[in-house]
Amino acid sequence: QVQLVQSGAEVKKPGASVKVSCKASGYTFTSYGISWVRQAPGQGLEWMGWISAYNGNTKYAQKLQGRVTMITDRSTSTAYMELRSLGSDDTAVYYCARGPHSYNSGWYYFDYWGQGTLVTVSS
Amino acid sequence: QTVVTQEPSFSVSPGGTVTLTCGLSSGSVSTSYYPSWYQQTPGQAPRTLIYNTISRSSGVPDRFSGSILGNKAALTITGAQADDESDYYCVLYMGSGIWVFGGGTKLTVL
Repeated sequence: QVQLVQSGAEVKKPGASVKVSCKASGYTFTSYGISWVRQAPGQGLEWMGWISAYNGNTKYAQKLQGRVTMITDRSTSTAYMELRSLGSDDTAVYYCARGPHSYNSGWYYFDYWGQGTLVTVSS
Repeated sequence: QTVVTQEPSFSVSPGGTVTLTCGLSSGSVSTSYYPSWYQQTPGQAPRTLIYNTISRSSGVPDRFSGSILGNKAALTITGAQADDESDYYCVLYMGSGIWVFGGGTKLTVL
């Protein structure tokens, strides 16, 4: 069965960086992409960006450009999301979600989700 | 800046029917945005309900249906049950690998 298992909770100080992992199993990793979605406490879901596990193409939300990097490790079927220069408004649960492997795949939704990783930014 | 709009909250009686909508601050939602819908209960990861406007995800009861109504995407719940009380999010695909979430609708069943 398809599973996305994320790394554990993190506590970071303002200005630091965080790297969250998402290990995929139960499917061919390179046939899909991974999107990252976050949810601040009491708020809605926010799409952060997408990476193709097929070719490494990425697309980031405009507001996070320059602060976020998404990569994949095909040898371990793991996706990573690094967010830098953390501020208190980056405190959120971060989710990875499986999606299409390309811009033009013909399907454009998230079918499986990780369990979420709480990142707390506090001095 | 594209804004995807949803009703902040909605209420439905048990057994009733409710339609949640998903619009654009500027323009109309069509199937070309491949609207999808997700259900989320507190403390849980989202669950995929509907994709490509009308297709139900595996295991989703047929009381959930998707459509385009006028210039918006819509999620209709027919015969609402107590455990349908959740937050519902729509997502639109903007092309070129970009998605935008709506603000979510908190559905109360009472």
